[in-house]
Amino acid sequence: DIQMTQSPSSLSASVGDRVTITCRASQSISSYLNWYQQKPGKAPKLLIYAASTLQSGVPPRFSGSGSGTDFTLTISSLQPEDFATYYCQQSYSSRTFGQGTKVEIK
Amino acid sequence: EVQLLESGGGLVQPGGSLRLSCAASGFTFSSFAMNWVRQAPGKGLEWVSAIDYSGYNTYYADSVKGRFTISRDNSKNTLSLQMNNLRAEDTANYYCAKQGVGELKHDAFDIWGQGTMVTVSS
Repeated sequence: DIQMTQSPSSLSASVGDRVTITCRASQSISSYLNWYQQKPGKAPKLLIYAASTLQSGVPPRFSGSGSGTDFTLTISSLQPEDFATYYCQQSYSSRTFGQGTKVEIK
Repeated sequence: EVQLLESGGGLVQPGGSLRLSCAASGFTFSSFAMNWVRQAPGKGLEWVSAIDYSGYNTYYADSVKGRFTISRDNSKNTLSLQMNNLRAEDTANYYCAKQGVGELKHDAFDIWGQGTMVTVSS
């Protein structure tokens, strides 16, 4: 089974900060990597698929990059509505989620 | 409006059974693979099971294999998850999710339901 490891597990940041979250796969997954945002009490929301393709309706301050085993999600200028937990997910073989990264207000 | 609506959650004793349902609307249900994803209280997301558009191919996480059965009724736009021999560690909010963006068979989950809570406890 493919394991997904996110770092950090949590971070504190201020509005306007640039934030980067990393996701590492236990084996190469090509570009089959997706990112989701989840707010408390809500269902996850797809942000980015295929490592770097922005889902329709998602603000362009979100971007994704990487291939093989190492991937990043970047928020270029953190907004108040971006405080949430972010999950990566591999879709190369079956599906596996990372453990999540909680973005908190500094 | 594209929508997924789960139902069937509740309190069940260890060893018991429960059947979850997910009603789909606003899209051509029979064209898309569907999934169940769960989230234990205060924990992360765990993929549980998937079924292809036809219902012919099914997939399971090792943690539920042999106990859970995923199925679909394309005539009723409904996804189901039959859960048997439930354990305390199955306690979670269960989401249904539609695959739909990206390369076929590798596509991401673009639509999610609001979830239904399953609690396994005596």
